Amino acid sequence: EVQLVQSGAEVKKPGESLRISCEGSGYSFTSYWISWVRQMPGKGLEWMGRIDPSDSYSNYSPSFQGHVTISADKSTNTAYLQWSSLKASDTAMYYCARHGVAGKPNYFDFWGQGTPVTVSS
Amino acid sequence: DIVMTQSPDSLAVSLGERATINCQSSQSVLYSSNNKNYLAWYQQKPGQPPKLLIYWASTRESGVPDRFSGSGSRTDFTLTISSLQAEDVAVYYCQQYYSTPYTFGQGTKLEIK
Repeated sequence: EVQLVQSGAEVKKPGESLRISCEGSGYSFTSYWISWVRQMPGKGLEWMGRIDPSDSYSNYSPSFQGHVTISADKSTNTAYLQWSSLKASDTAMYYCARHGVAGKPNYFDFWGQGTPVTVSS
Repeated sequence: DIVMTQSPDSLAVSLGERATINCQSSQSVLYSSNNKNYLAWYQQKPGQPPKLLIYWASTRESGVPDRFSGSGSRTDFTLTISSLQAEDVAVYYCQQYYSTPYTFGQGTKLEIK
């Protein structure tokens, strides 16, 4: 059974750093890209960027480029999303999602349960 | 960026009736080399992650009830629920994966009338 299990809720202060995780299981982790998607409170879905776990190549939405970093550790089947300096506007639910066809850009067939991040002074 | 626009923003339909949600992209998402539309539909219920319903504009994901169907090509797409069930109350999103940044519609909230 394919599963993406994300790390738990985070409460941080502005300016702090953070890394959240997404562990894949039940499939070949290096064969499928992983994307991260933001959902701000009461709002829609925004694609942030994606990574190919086989070589850690990543690309980002211009809206998020330079503010977050996506990485992956194929030894632990885990993808990461990290911030070096959080802002209050980063308060949101963050989802990881698997691309549906190995090695290709496409739809998201499996999603993590989400990691809520709250940034408040 | 490709802008995805859904209509309506919200919709109330009686149980057993048809629900139709539209999605328009600001440019074609039809890839000529394989004749596939790079368009997906997702369902999101409160407190849950999105769930894939339809991909390639009209292919139903495994396990999705056949009352859900997708149609359209190039820039205009439709998600149809043929006979609304109570468990279909959710927000529905279209998404293009033709080019990055992948973009979603703003969502359509479906309720029971």
